[in-house]
Amino acid sequence: QKEVEQDPGPLSVPEGAIVSLNCTYSNSAFQYFMWYRQYSRKGPELLMYTYSSGNKEDGRFTAQVDKSSKYISLFIRDSQPSDSATYLCAMRRNTGTASKLTFGTGTRLQVTL
Amino acid sequence: DAGVIQSPRHEVTEMGQEVTLRCKPISGHNSLFWYRQTMMRGLELLIYFNNNVPIDDSGMPEDRFSAKMPNASFSTLKIQPSEPRDSAVYFCAAAGNYGYTFGSGTRLTVV
Repeated sequence: QKEVEQDPGPLSVPEGAIVSLNCTYSNSAFQYFMWYRQYSRKGPELLMYTYSSGNKEDGRFTAQVDKSSKYISLFIRDSQPSDSATYLCAMRRNTGTASKLTFGTGTRLQVTL
Repeated sequence: DAGVIQSPRHEVTEMGQEVTLRCKPISGHNSLFWYRQTMMRGLELLIYFNNNVPIDDSGMPEDRFSAKMPNASFSTLKIQPSEPRDSAVYFCAAAGNYGYTFGSGTRLTVV
């Protein structure tokens, strides 16, 4: 079993829809949770960063962490065609810069006009 | 700040040839990570360095792969000899306080 599980999709939604992307994980030592967005033929870019359980909002994006269920989510409101990308969750145990991230395999999202 | 710079962007080589991928990390970021990305396996950590010292190379698939970081501003990943199954996108990433900054990757095709 992988440490981090993520549905690969693809997920296709109409413009303006609310998108929910999710990951589950098995290692209870993970404390820092991230979402990366990767456009085609580009490197992943950091989208959201959260620590421990709770919610964090940034514009149209909301990240949720439920450590008791080992479940994290990314919500995108009023989705736009420019949101079409692959979204990867990532997590790590501590905050040192030498601490390695464990990634999900990514969910491909397509927002249609 | 130009971010993490990787070269070449694309590499096509014949099976058995040596391939060298290059990375220039962000100045002042002390940790550098090499990842490989494929459709089937996603992002796989190959090796990472802290202060130019290799910390964990357990992800390097076999002895054909080697990586160096001779100084804080340069790292290489070498595959010798290359095989078709090495075809993937290889990313270099620099670690900051909140996450990684990735380069644009090198798309390697071994024919």
